[in-house]
Amino acid sequence: GAVVSQHPSWVICKSGTSVKIECRSLDFQATTMFWYRQFPKQSLMLMATSNEGSKATYEQGVEKDKFLINHASLTLSTLTVTSAHPEDSSFYICSARDGNQPQHFGDGTRLSIL
Amino acid sequence: QQQVKQSPQSLIVQKGGISIINCAYENTAFDYFPWYQQFPGKGPALLIAIRPDVSEKKEGRFTISFNKSAKQFSLHIMDSQPGDSATYFCAASKGSTLGRLYFGRGTQLTVWP
Repeated sequence: GAVVSQHPSWVICKSGTSVKIECRSLDFQATTMFWYRQFPKQSLMLMATSNEGSKATYEQGVEKDKFLINHASLTLSTLTVTSAHPEDSSFYICSARDGNQPQHFGDGTRLSIL
Repeated sequence: QQQVKQSPQSLIVQKGGISIINCAYENTAFDYFPWYQQFPGKGPALLIAIRPDVSEKKEGRFTISFNKSAKQFSLHIMDSQPGDSATYFCAASKGSTLGRLYFGRGTQLTVWP
């Protein structure tokens, strides 16, 4: 149980385009979802926290107009990287939680901007 | 500012040996301490977690030791296997599982056969 699915697993796109990443909880209702960014051989950096039906709360230093987060249902959250540039290339990971249960993580999306 | 400090950065252990990874924290409001295992190209997976009301928790070959007074906790992997080779992250949160997780920098474990 507690499976979180992320799609796509890998995406390559041109600089200036927008990219959408989906995060789905497959067998539970995710009242809260988190988006992280991870650089090679580094720790996870929390970007934002979202509760279903509410606006996301962004961490300090994360541009909310750059990284659009939508948590429209209890099983789906999306992260859209707008006007992506090479410096946005990274490994993006979502996690989801049902109430006071532990967070469960997706397998991440490797984003490469050319 | 790193809320949770983790060491060592990398660890090499022979098969069958004990792997020990240490973490320390300052914020006494933390009340939930999970460990995650991450394989290359994958997301972290919850391995084991402890709360400050116990000093040790064991699940199979994995044991967390918790020292509340020293504000330290560690992960012990007994009988380490090549399949345990991964990056391990300790974390802490306040408000138990409801709180955001503060991760350590990670330890890359390599178990030689």
